Formats: sequence, structure tokens, C-alpha cells
Amino acid sequence: ILNVEQSPQSLHVQEGDSTNFTCSFPSSNFYALHWYRWETAKSPEALFVMTLNGDEKKKGRISATLNTKEGYSYLYIKGSQPEDSATYLCAHNTGNQFYFGTGTSLTVIP
Amino acid sequence: EAGVAQSPRYKIIEKRQSVAFWCNPISGHATLYWYQQILGQGPKLLIQFQNNGVVDDSQLPKDRFSAERLKGVDSTLKIQPAKLEDSAVYLCASSLSIRDYEQYFGPGTRLTVT
Repeated sequence: ILNVEQSPQSLHVQEGDSTNFTCSFPSSNFYALHWYRWETAKSPEALFVMTLNGDEKKKGRISATLNTKEGYSYLYIKGSQPEDSATYLCAHNTGNQFYFGTGTSLTVIP
Repeated sequence: EAGVAQSPRYKIIEKRQSVAFWCNPISGHATLYWYQQILGQGPKLLIQFQNNGVVDDSQLPKDRFSAERLKGVDSTLKIQPAKLEDSAVYLCASSLSIRDYEQYFGPGTRLTVT
């Protein structure tokens, strides 16, 4: 079983603050790195799929970077809004299986 | 496009009872996954199907858990008998194929075993 670790475990920020989370994963058997946003009582929603070392992806105020050589990815949220409150999950995809981290729970305080 | 459907959304049972969950994947998706997410942990793969065949069930507790996908479309996951430690969210996901980058998740079934 591959260890995928996320930090911090939880985070409270004020509306308008920018924030970032970390996902670390084994650099071996790398196929893709996935970020998901999971709101309570809803389906996890795919944010990014990243496959190449040095990848940077952006969707609105959210962006992510990938370093496959050292085994980490950062997720950034610029100008956090209350609707960004959710759990952010990363998953290491080996091509055969997804290994999920425990998630970072973000609460944005109005 | 309709998403992955799961039912029930919530279930409360007593230990030693049986329970079944149902999943309807996105139309045309050959690969179906069942995950167990215990509070404070990341989702853990229980079983993966390619059409109606099992690809990986190495982490499925086979003494009490079973799953089937008889016609390669819908799937059911059963627990018999349930234990307290089975309390979790059970997520179903589907993808076009095994090596497809995208997995699409259902809303999950939250199981509480008392």
C-alpha cells in the first residue's frame, strides 16, 4: 500500500485569505496525481489531473503544481471564499489503482 | 450526462445485521470501483471491476463483504454480518477504462453500525 500524505489535516482561514495544501506521494510507479474537492453530502468533484513533472494547472482561483521527482503537489486557493469550504483530497494514480490521502479540511470564515 | 448514482444515501443498522448498497455508474463506463472511507482516513479501494470481471479485490474483507456486477453495469456491495468498524462512507466511482485518468464519484452511502 502506497502512503499518500496530506497536510495540514484541517485549516481555518478568513474570507479573502490565500492558502495552500500539500500532498506527498511515493515518486515510484507514478501515472497521475489527482486533486478532488469533496463537500459534505455531495460527490467528490475532480479538480485537476496532473501527469507531467512541472505541471501547473489552474481553474479560476484554484491552481496546482506537481513535482514527480520529489513526490509532492501543492494546491493553492487565492482569495478564499466561504463556498471553498470542503475537504480537498489528493490521489496517487499508479495506472492500476488510486491511493488517496486523508484530505485537508478547509473552512473559510466569512 | 447523468452522474454515478448510489442508494441508499444513509443507513443505520445494528451489528451482526446485513446491508446492501447499490451503484449505477455513468453509462458506457467499463470500470467500476467501490471505496470505503472511514472517518479521518482517505478512501480505500475495496474492489474494482472491469465490465463484470473483478480486477482487484485484494483489500476486500471477503469473510463478510461481497460485491457483484453481473451484467457489467449496476453493482451491489453487501456486508454480512456487519461489525462496528464497518461504519464508514461507501463510495462508488466509475471510469471509461482502467487506465482512464478520470474517475467519477457518486455521493456515497453513509453507514452507521450500532
